Amino acid sequence: DAGVIQSPRHEVTEMGQEVTLRCKPISGHDYLFWYRQTMMRGLELLIYFNNNVPIDDSGMPEDRFSAKMPNASFSTLKIQPSEPRDSAVYFCASSLWGGQPQHFGDGTRLSIL
Amino acid sequence: GESVGLHLPTLSVQEGDNSIINCAYSNSASDYFIWYKQESGKGPQFIIDIRSNMDKRQGQRVTVLLNKTVKHLSLQIAATQPGDSAVYFCAETVQGGSEKLVFGKGMKLTVNP
Repeated sequence: DAGVIQSPRHEVTEMGQEVTLRCKPISGHDYLFWYRQTMMRGLELLIYFNNNVPIDDSGMPEDRFSAKMPNASFSTLKIQPSEPRDSAVYFCASSLWGGQPQHFGDGTRLSIL
Repeated sequence: GESVGLHLPTLSVQEGDNSIINCAYSNSASDYFIWYKQESGKGPQFIIDIRSNMDKRQGQRVTVLLNKTVKHLSLQIAATQPGDSAVYFCAETVQGGSEKLVFGKGMKLTVNP
């Protein structure tokens, strides 16, 4: 079975550039989550969607971050403009419904120079 | 506040030994707990979960114990193998609530051959 698919796996770009991370959740999963992982702060929830609708974006660090889910099989996380402190691994996860385990993709390793 | 923490940041064991990874949680309302395993360069992988109406749950070579009285969770790995080397996270949530998972900071398990 296909798991959560994220792209790109690695992204290196200069500060000030726009970055777009992509996620395809597991088919049939109603919940989609975006996380950021750093050594200092661990895994942080940025935003999550239920049936394509953003439910809680309180973890989004700044207005430079935005996320969309135009349909049940695709979501994007965008950073504009990017800054060096945004360097981290970004994970997408999905779950069948709220009471079920979240299944994670293998992440996008983002480096902002 | 709501938090999940791990007692041991690192654990080194010999192949074939049993491993025990501990986790403390502070939200007495949490009723669903999950253990994840994260290998280098990959996303967290679901291992086992437990709901608050249970004290113990067993999987293949893994057992999770829940002590609600002292808000403590543990993961036991039997006959630890080199492939078990990874970072382990516990996570908690309140089902029917925000659907957010609160993750601990992680503990690195190293299995020596």
